Amino acid sequence: KAGVTQTPRYLIKTRGQQVTLSCSPISGHRSVSWYQQTPGQGLQFLFEYFSETQRNKGNFPGRFSGRQFSNSRSEMNVSTLELGDSALYLCASSWYRGGTDTQYFGPGTRLTVL
Amino acid sequence: DAKTTQPNSMESNEEEPVHLPCNHSTISGTDYIHWYRQLPSQGPEYVIHGLTSNVNNRMASLAIAEDRKSSTLILHRATLRDAAVYYCILRSSNTGKLIFGQGTTLQVKP
Repeated sequence: KAGVTQTPRYLIKTRGQQVTLSCSPISGHRSVSWYQQTPGQGLQFLFEYFSETQRNKGNFPGRFSGRQFSNSRSEMNVSTLELGDSALYLCASSWYRGGTDTQYFGPGTRLTVL
Repeated sequence: DAKTTQPNSMESNEEEPVHLPCNHSTISGTDYIHWYRQLPSQGPEYVIHGLTSNVNNRMASLAIAEDRKSSTLILHRATLRDAAVYYCILRSSNTGKLIFGQGTTLQVKP
């Protein structure tokens, strides 16, 4: 099976702009989670979508939003970009079995805000 | 969410076993213990998980203490490609989020 894919891989934006990142999960996976990774804060959970519904949300401001489509593909959007939003954004799709799940991560989108 | 405590860094020699410890004294009965690792310039990668019993797979072994308050990830023969940040994560069965700590940075010396 193909792995999790994320587009674009690299992105440069300026403060105040908005950005949309895309994630295609592994075929058959219905859950998609998003994470932000920065040198200072490490890996932080943003939100999780399952069957087009947001199931969990991390402690991020409302500028960060997401959605999931019927084919399980997901997008996340960041509006009014700030310098501190520069980070690696990782998407993971999940396979649930035996009471827990395994998350498979994509390579990430490197966002730089100038 | 229950937290885990790991050493910041560890060193190992190539082809020797590595034992990566993790403390999780506030673990609840429904928490699974998961390990992920992140190689440089890559997204995290699933390694192994367990609930109560020790687990083995092709990548590693997971030894879980009888009281479940600690666990150890065992790499039987470290290779240079095992140099990564290793994360020990408690995962409740009814939530989809992973809470990453700082992890342990493993250096493997040739």
